[in-house]
Amino acid sequence: EIVLTQSPATLSLSPGERATLSCRASQSVGNYLAWYQQKNGQAPRLLIYDTFNRATGVPARFRGSGSGTDFTLTISGLEPDDFAVYYCQQRSNWPTFGPGTKVDI
Amino acid sequence: EVQLGESGGGLVQPGRSLRLSCAASGFTFSDYAMHWVRQAPGKGLEWVSSISWSSTSVDYADSVKGRFSISRDNAKSSLYLQMDSLRGDDTAIYYCAKDRIAAGGFTFDSWGQGTLVTVSS
Repeated sequence: EIVLTQSPATLSLSPGERATLSCRASQSVGNYLAWYQQKNGQAPRLLIYDTFNRATGVPARFRGSGSGTDFTLTISGLEPDDFAVYYCQQRSNWPTFGPGTKVDI
Repeated sequence: EVQLGESGGGLVQPGRSLRLSCAASGFTFSDYAMHWVRQAPGKGLEWVSSISWSSTSVDYADSVKGRFSISRDNAKSSLYLQMDSLRGDDTAIYYCAKDRIAAGGFTFDSWGQGTLVTVSS
């Protein structure tokens, strides 16, 4: 099983600031890494797939990067709607998710 | 617009069974692999099971293998999860999710609102 580690566990920022979220895999997942956003009481929402591709309707302020074992989700200019929990997920092997990073005010 | 709606959750005793359903609309259901993903209360996400568009390929997480069975009815645009020998650690919100690509690739691009399964005596 490929284990994903996310850091930090919590990121406290203000609207307008830049958020940088990290996801590290226990072995290479190539570019097969996705990011999801989950707001309180809601289902997850796909943001980024295969490292850097934005899903339909996702604003350009969300940017994914990385390869192999180290990946980053950058949110430029946080908006109030962006405060949520973010999960990374790999599909190189049987799918696994990271434990999540909470972005809060 | 893609819509997925789960049903069938509830309170069940350990060792008993439950069958979840997911009704799909807004896309050609028979063209896509489908998945179940669960989330224990206050915890992260865990992939549970997947089924190909034709039902010829099914996969399960080790934690549910031998106890859960996934199936689909393309004529009814519906996905199912039969859960037997339920345990306390199966307590979770169960989400139905659509694959991003027709061939199936374990990227979950649409999710239902989830149905809560509570296993307790």
